[in-house]
Amino acid sequence: AQSVTQPDIHITVSEGASLELRCNYSYGATPYLFWYVQSPGQGLQLLLKYFSGDTLVQGIKGFEAEFKRSQSSFNLRKPSVHWSDAAEYFCAVGAPGNTPLVFGKGTRLSVIA
Amino acid sequence: EADIYQTPRYLVIGTGKKITLECSQTMGHDKMYWYQQDPGMELHLIHYSYGVNSTEKGDLSSESTVSRIRTEHFPLTLESARPSHTSQYLCASRTSGNNEQFFGPGTRLTVL
Repeated sequence: AQSVTQPDIHITVSEGASLELRCNYSYGATPYLFWYVQSPGQGLQLLLKYFSGDTLVQGIKGFEAEFKRSQSSFNLRKPSVHWSDAAEYFCAVGAPGNTPLVFGKGTRLSVIA
Repeated sequence: EADIYQTPRYLVIGTGKKITLECSQTMGHDKMYWYQQDPGMELHLIHYSYGVNSTEKGDLSSESTVSRIRTEHFPLTLESARPSHTSQYLCASRTSGNNEQFFGPGTRLTVL
């Protein structure tokens, strides 16, 4: 069975600073990997996804993530954070077939001036 | 663009009332899901469906029930609401082709 760990519950960064949110997964084969963002009181919006191919994937809002099979990781990065990036971020892993996505517990990002 | 709708967006009701949270998608997705999420907390899968007339319980036990009579519609019903049901309920859908999942805006339920 798949599992996802987001080690950081809450991260605070300064506006303009770089950002890296960590995600580790457990799955026996090559997984499907996702990052979602959730603003307060809203649903989840897909930032980016990895199915196969190039291990560095680009997403919306200037985010990127890198799949590292050897580390079972799919960390999310952004070179310069904006105040509007403050939100909850969820990593998820999926597998071919009918199995529902498995979500991490989320990382809350705060941005300070 | 994903088109998945939830109504109502906000609902405040008294204990013991029966409620139905609506979820519809216009993408023809066969798989649909309901999640329960307390503010700032993790997602808990409570129900899902692989297609018409298919429903399954999720990881978190829930007193709610669901039905899937039409592909585009996946309503969630609480027969007798209690304060412990106060939460946000998120609906999602995805196609069989891949695991990309789209979410609705959520229904924030408060039971007094």
